[in-house]
Amino acid sequence: SAVISQKPSRDICQRGTSLTIQCQVDSQVTMMFWYRQQPGQSLTLIATANQGSEATYESGFVIDKFPISRPNLTFSTLTVSNMSPEDSSIYLCSVERAYYNEQFFGPGTRLTVL
Amino acid sequence: AQTVTQSQPEMSVQEAETVTLSCTYDTSESDYYLFWYKQPPSRQMILVIRQEAYKQQNATENRFSVNFQKAAKSFSLKISDSQLGDAAMYFCAHTTNTGNQFYFGTGTSLTVIP
Repeated sequence: SAVISQKPSRDICQRGTSLTIQCQVDSQVTMMFWYRQQPGQSLTLIATANQGSEATYESGFVIDKFPISRPNLTFSTLTVSNMSPEDSSIYLCSVERAYYNEQFFGPGTRLTVL
Repeated sequence: AQTVTQSQPEMSVQEAETVTLSCTYDTSESDYYLFWYKQPPSRQMILVIRQEAYKQQNATENRFSVNFQKAAKSFSLKISDSQLGDAAMYFCAHTTNTGNQFYFGTGTSLTVIP
């Protein structure tokens, strides 16, 4: 299985600011995914990030609000822009295990917006 | 549409006893995969068990087993000899062989009573 780390593990931010979350994998992966998990809720896919191409966003999520970078096969960032209290969530990155259709998740970033 | 339904928001079990968590799903695909993930308070998503739809045999991983009923689109998780460390949120998830989109249920919160 892949070892995935995320930074920061948690943060408290002020309304109107932006936060960039980093996701690092210990092996090269083609696809990385970003999820949002609002308090007490299930996981919702924000976008899929492929190296060398624009991220693909799910319905309800836009690039201006959640810009994603994928500079290489082991790293990705998700920025939460112009934050509001409604953005308070856990943000998780995951990677796909090739040929097994499994996803492995990072430990998550707990974001609180005041 | 791909959906995953977990009808039990909360479950409890006595330590050393057996508990079954329910999950139903909907898909028009013939080739797909089903998963149970565990999310303890540390919020790290951990893959518990997986089932390929083309396999008739139910998957088993130590104390964890599934009852996969393809015709009924049912995928329940049985935890035997429950331990305190099993206390967590459990998410049922589904993905197809043709895409990377994971569909998660709303989760079941499992409490293990000493």
